[in-house]
Amino acid sequence: DTGVSQNPRHKITKRGQNVTFRCDPISEHNRLYWYRQTLGQGPEFLTYFQNEAQLEKSRLLSDRFSAERPKGSFSTLEIQRTEQGDSAMYLCASSLPNEQFFGPGTRLTVL
Amino acid sequence: AQSVTQLGSHVSVSEGALVLLRCNYSSSVPPYLFWYVQYPNQGLQLLLKYTSAATLVKGINGFEAEFKKSETSFHLTKPSAHMSDAAEYFCALEDSGAGSYQLTFGKGTKLSVIP
Repeated sequence: DTGVSQNPRHKITKRGQNVTFRCDPISEHNRLYWYRQTLGQGPEFLTYFQNEAQLEKSRLLSDRFSAERPKGSFSTLEIQRTEQGDSAMYLCASSLPNEQFFGPGTRLTVL
Repeated sequence: AQSVTQLGSHVSVSEGALVLLRCNYSSSVPPYLFWYVQYPNQGLQLLLKYTSAATLVKGINGFEAEFKKSETSFHLTKPSAHMSDAAEYFCALEDSGAGSYQLTFGKGTKLSVIP
């Protein structure tokens, strides 16, 4: 399958723990995005990479969040000292011009 | 600032009836507009997109949408609903002048199809 993949699909953690999510984009796409989706809301933009460079970050991305994309391939999103408000679906997308392809998401539950 | 408003968080239609999901946008530059569908516990799948070509856009699964600049609208329609259309639908806007091409989404409309 050549779509966007995300791992893990589900993560349950206790408040205060660190978590890391991985996104593998479609191989020829040089743009990669992270979005967060909470219940009853549309996805909200978090951050954007062009190749390995992180070019834009939303104000939603607090200091506890960090994202990387080494070598312009897969990307990781780490949340440190998780809070209950971090519970959400985290979506990754990779992009051609004018079309973003989304992965299945990682659902995070913080207890 | 750009924004997307979807009127109606929940729409119910009978199987075989017309589907109409409403989307209005606000943008300071000519927008690119999208409709995505999301099934439970899945990611988003692109239904169709408007990128300044034809104002009537046809997508997958029999859906279409019409861009109306004067009304700042991009409503999604399907002539005859099928049970498999039950899902959540999101309208999104891409700022064609922004370097990141990030999407701004509406809050979504959950479509229920009644047998």
